[in-house]
Amino acid sequence: TQLLEQSPQFLSIQEGENLTVYCNSSSVFSSLQWYRQEPGEGPVLLVTVVTGGEVKKLKRLTFQFGDARKDSSLHITAAQPGDTGLYLCAGVLSSGSARQLTFGSGTQLTVLP
Amino acid sequence: NAGVMQNPRHLVRRRGQEARLRCSPMKGHSHVYWYRQLPEEGLKFMVYLQKENIIDESGMPKERFSAEFPKEGPSILRIQQVVRGDSAAYFCASSPHTGENTEAFFGQGTRLTVV
Repeated sequence: TQLLEQSPQFLSIQEGENLTVYCNSSSVFSSLQWYRQEPGEGPVLLVTVVTGGEVKKLKRLTFQFGDARKDSSLHITAAQPGDTGLYLCAGVLSSGSARQLTFGSGTQLTVLP
Repeated sequence: NAGVMQNPRHLVRRRGQEARLRCSPMKGHSHVYWYRQLPEEGLKFMVYLQKENIIDESGMPKERFSAEFPKEGPSILRIQQVVRGDSAAYFCASSPHTGENTEAFFGQGTRLTVV
């Protein structure tokens, strides 16, 4: 059983559409990070959210941390083919080791031109 | 400032051989983490090291796997007597310190194939 459930697992959309990716858990996280991973490469950090209810924006990407710090979402506005990739959420459990990142299984996004 | 450097990028080993994966953290980072990404699965924590010390190895298989981070040189993840199930991408990450909000930066990974 995944501690962090990501949905959808796969998403294929047309250029210009909006989309939202979800990351849910029954556990509380001290912080949560979003990464993007290209094929054959390592995960690249996009953002870290630490406060319940926090919203961060990175150009066309909007990240939100749930009030209870159990879930997060990533919203992309006007998606572009360059947004294609595997999006991973990862968190530090409040009850766990601050050294371990727990990863979700990822959302594979494909943006078609 | 170079990022986290891993080598080799690709490694092919026959069953029973040893695999050595190297990771040089970002400049100024003294904390190293190893993760494994199996096909169709997410990244799983393996081990956390500081210079000359293993701090948390709760994710490491009990046998055949070992890790070190010597005073000088890169961190090494060593897999003895590899089996086909060890085929995966192994990622190293580093951070300047540890804490609840520590951000880890990942290398490009080593893709191990056991034939």
